[in-house]
Amino acid sequence: DVQMTQSPSSLGASVGDRVSITCRASQRISTNLNWYQQKPGKAPKLLIYTASTLASGVPSRFSGSGSGTDFSLTISSLQPEDFATYYCQQSNYTPRRFGQGTKVDSK
Amino acid sequence: EVHLLESGGGLIQPGGSLRLSCAASGFTFSYYAMTWVRQTPGKGLDWVSVISASGHSTYYSDSVEGRFTISRDNSKNTLFLHMNSLRAEDTAIYYCVRDHFDSGTRSGDSFDYWGQGTLVTVSS
Repeated sequence: DVQMTQSPSSLGASVGDRVSITCRASQRISTNLNWYQQKPGKAPKLLIYTASTLASGVPSRFSGSGSGTDFSLTISSLQPEDFATYYCQQSNYTPRRFGQGTKVDSK
Repeated sequence: EVHLLESGGGLIQPGGSLRLSCAASGFTFSYYAMTWVRQTPGKGLDWVSVISASGHSTYYSDSVEGRFTISRDNSKNTLFLHMNSLRAEDTAIYYCVRDHFDSGTRSGDSFDYWGQGTLVTVSS
């Protein structure tokens, strides 16, 4: 199975900060990598698919990049509603494993 | 508007059985693969099982293989997860999720709609 490793596990940031989260796959997965955002008590929401394509309605301050084994999610200017936990997930192989999550909270 | 509504969760003793249901609306259910994802309270996301749009293909995580069965009724727009031999480590919120494609295993797929989840607690 492909293992997904995110870093950091948590980070403190302020509104307006540029935030980056990385995700590494244990095998090459091309660009078959998705990002999800989850807020407390809510279901996850698709943010980015195939590494860099924004899902419908997602603000342009979110961006994704990478291919092969190394990927990143960047928030260009953190907004109050962006404090949440972010998960990467590979869609190249079954089972569709997730990373362990990165919690973005207030510094 | 796409809507996924899970039901069937609850408190069950170890070794017991439970059937989760997911009622889908707002889209042509028979066109999409469907997945169950679970989340232990306060922890990360764990992919459980997927079923193709037709229902002919199913896949499971190693941790539930042989104990859980995914199925669907396309005439009733409903997804199911039959869970047997439940263990304490199966305690989680179970989410019903729509795949973007029909096969469930196509590369580049994504989980584009999620239900709100149903809590399963396995405890004596």
